[in-house]
Amino acid sequence: DIQLTQSPSSLSASVGDRVTITCQASQDISNSLNWYQQKPGQAPTVLIHDALNLERGVPSRFSGSGSGTDFTFTISSVQPEDFGTYYCQQHIDLPLTFGPGTKVDFK
Amino acid sequence: QVQLQQWGAGLVKPSETLSLTCAVYGGAFSGFFWTWIRQPAGKGLEWIGEAKQGGSTNYNPSLRGRVTISLDTSRKQFSLKLTSMTAADTAVYYCTRVPGRHFDVWGQGILVTVSA
Repeated sequence: DIQLTQSPSSLSASVGDRVTITCQASQDISNSLNWYQQKPGQAPTVLIHDALNLERGVPSRFSGSGSGTDFTFTISSVQPEDFGTYYCQQHIDLPLTFGPGTKVDFK
Repeated sequence: QVQLQQWGAGLVKPSETLSLTCAVYGGAFSGFFWTWIRQPAGKGLEWIGEAKQGGSTNYNPSLRGRVTISLDTSRKQFSLKLTSMTAADTAVYYCTRVPGRHFDVWGQGILVTVSA
């Protein structure tokens, strides 16, 4: 199985901060990486697919980059509604796997 | 707007079989993988498996042959069966749609508890 590691595991941010989360794959996954946001008690929602493609309706303050084994997810100016846990997920190989998550809360 | 609505038993006895069903409303059924994902309380997400019209199915090897995902095209529903349930299978179970290789629509989730 392809292992995904995320850093940091948690962070605290102030409104307006730039937030960056990294995801590292245990092997080359090309651009086969998605990013999700999950709020407590809710199902995850996809934000970015295929490393850098913004899902329809997702605000442009969210962005993704990277390829191969190293990926970055950025919130350019974090808003109060952005709290939650963010997961990366690879889709180049089965079983599909997720990173352990990064919890974002507010200072 | 596509919606997934899921239902099934929320309490399962050890060694018994979990059965969940997910219905698709407001969208096409063909051309997608239909998938189940689970999440133990306070933990991360685990892909269980997927099925596509035409007979294609893929499962997580970690479930060691305990899982079956089936489609009912006429009803636009898909189902999960997971046998030999143990406490380790206690989790919130989600059904999802996969248009490419990302999960774009999710069901509301069902908490399944394994307990005698």
